[in-house]
Amino acid sequence: AQTVTQSQPEMSVQEAETVTLSCTYDTSENNYYLFWYKQPPSRQMILVIRQEAYKQQNATENRFSVNFQKAAKSFSLKISDSQLGDTAMYFCAFTSGSNYGGSQGNLIFGKGTKLSVKP
Amino acid sequence: DTEVTQTPKHLVMGMTNKKSLKCEQHMGHRAMYWYKQKAKKPPELMFVYSYEKLSINESVPSRFSPECPNSSLLNLHLHALQPEDSALYLCASSQGRLLLDNEQFFGPGTRLTVL
Repeated sequence: AQTVTQSQPEMSVQEAETVTLSCTYDTSENNYYLFWYKQPPSRQMILVIRQEAYKQQNATENRFSVNFQKAAKSFSLKISDSQLGDTAMYFCAFTSGSNYGGSQGNLIFGKGTKLSVKP
Repeated sequence: DTEVTQTPKHLVMGMTNKKSLKCEQHMGHRAMYWYKQKAKKPPELMFVYSYEKLSINESVPSRFSPECPNSSLLNLHLHALQPEDSALYLCASSQGRLLLDNEQFFGPGTRLTVL
């Protein structure tokens, strides 16, 4: 079974500092994608960053970057220069190309990390 | 237009009521999803439609009935709900179900309260 684990239920960071959120996953697949989604208190879930497993280069999007360690099955999110608007629940998610049980394209979510950015 | 819209934003209903949630997207996506999300928990997949056909029903009780009238519209019909069904109901869409196409875009959700 494929699983996603986020071991930090809550974290906090001072504005302008850097924070890293952890995510590990378990799969026997070789072809998959990993995502970080952000859900602010206003509820709408938005995609922060995406990593394709076959790409060795770590994905970056402005202040957001990932550290993708495929052998260790680790996919952490680094937020640089944290801003108050980064306060949100962050979900790590996995999807694979496998269609076992019709599950192709399904997102498997971790339990989430609640990040608070303090002024 | 890169939005998924959902109506209503809030819904309060009694256990004997019948109501519907609506989701719409105009991105040309051919896969649409319903999720249920409890507070401080990740979304749980309920239904998946692919090319307007139901492809996954994750053992959801029959008091929830999905409908996909066309490729842009997804409904969730509610009947005889229980208080434990109170949650945020999220709709999402993606270009397709293949790995390359399955980045999901989420709507803002409908906050449902069952009295």
